[in-house]
Amino acid sequence: AQTVTQSQPEMSVQEAETVTLSCTYDTSESDYYLFWYKQPPSRQMILVIRQEAYKQQNATENRFSVNFQKAAKSFSLKISDSQLGDAAMYFCAYRTPRGNFGNEKLTFGTGTRLTIIP
Amino acid sequence: DTGVSQDPRHKITKRGQNVTFRCDPISEHNRLYWYRQTLGQGPEFLTYFQNEAQLEKSRLLSDRFSAERPKGSFSTLEIQRTEQGDSAMYLCASSLVALHEQYFGPGTRLTVT
Repeated sequence: AQTVTQSQPEMSVQEAETVTLSCTYDTSESDYYLFWYKQPPSRQMILVIRQEAYKQQNATENRFSVNFQKAAKSFSLKISDSQLGDAAMYFCAYRTPRGNFGNEKLTFGTGTRLTIIP
Repeated sequence: DTGVSQDPRHKITKRGQNVTFRCDPISEHNRLYWYRQTLGQGPEFLTYFQNEAQLEKSRLLSDRFSAERPKGSFSTLEIQRTEQGDSAMYLCASSLVALHEQYFGPGTRLTVT
């Protein structure tokens, strides 16, 4: 079974600085997808960024970028120029391209709570 | 453009009572997922629908849990004879095959006293 591990329960960063959140995963699959989701307090989960395992190039979305190390099974998220609105729980998630009957269920880590210091 | 909606947002019930939650996915999304999130944990998969067919259920989904998606539109999740261990946030997500991305609703927070 696939597992996702986030070893940093909490992180904090000064506003405008850069922070990196860590994620490792375990899988025997060669093709899969990885995601970072953001869950602000009392608000719904939204997708921040995704990475296809077959792509060597690291995904970027504005201030958010990933460092995908397939051999090491590592998938970290870098947030540049941190803003107050970035404060949230961040979840790393994994899924195979197509599971049973097309089930693309997500397997999540336990999350990292990010605090932005003004 | 309306996203995934869930109702109610909060539910407090006494142990042993039955509760039902509703999820309205994004229009035309044929895939619908239920997840459960307990305090300090990431969401865990419960069950999955493709259109009206429930195609997979997690071992987390005991016999007291039942989910439906009549006509492939909204979905309901019912918990019978609730237990304190059922207290959690219940999240619904939907997706369209071509997009692969799952869009989440705000969740229903259940508290069993």
